[in-house]
Amino acid sequence: DAGITQSPRHKVTETGTPVTLRCHQTENHRYMYWYRQDPGHGLRLIHYSYGVKDTDKGEVSDGYSVSRSKTEDFLLTLESATSSQTSVYFCAISIRDRSTDTQYFGPGTRLTVL
Amino acid sequence: AQTVTQSQPEMSVQEAETVTLSCTYDTSENNYYLFWYKQPPSRQMILVIRQEAYKQQNATENRFSVNFQKAAKSFSLKISDSQLGDTAMYFCALVGTSGSRLTFGEGTQLTVNP
Repeated sequence: DAGITQSPRHKVTETGTPVTLRCHQTENHRYMYWYRQDPGHGLRLIHYSYGVKDTDKGEVSDGYSVSRSKTEDFLLTLESATSSQTSVYFCAISIRDRSTDTQYFGPGTRLTVL
Repeated sequence: AQTVTQSQPEMSVQEAETVTLSCTYDTSENNYYLFWYKQPPSRQMILVIRQEAYKQQNATENRFSVNFQKAAKSFSLKISDSQLGDTAMYFCALVGTSGSRLTFGEGTQLTVNP
């Protein structure tokens, strides 16, 4: 257990509404990530953060923004949700463990956009 | 660019038998790390095993071991003495040392039959 929580765990929303997903960690790790999981694609990186207010884009960042004002929280915002953003969203942190940077994942958030 | 390919969408095995899941990858980096993650029906992403590319010795974790063939860019997972609790989706993943992005394969659904 890497001390990662995600909220909400499930959400149903309508097209065009803003949505914010929260990732919270308890151990002050520097790197945090947001991924989405879709059938046939595995997990794909949306955005990541390497410190407070330091973020960068991943491979599927269009339509998403992130913020990190505190070490422990990493927020993912869908400014105007679309049906193509229906997915399961995972937050992850990176921990240096036995000389390897290993990512550990939160429990996931299932988002449905109607 | 990094790619990870899992060519077996589904596999099944009888309880107590051994099964091998295949993974091939491509990367331009000289050093990198490889991982196998397990995702049971609970949806939680669980680290199974990891391998540093600069290490020739294959990693083992209890019933799980890998066959790492660097020249062939192959990273297969062997599960010995399969248990019903091993039923899950298994993802192969790669991260280079020059970046944070974890690249996943599409996954292999493993079913262990009693």
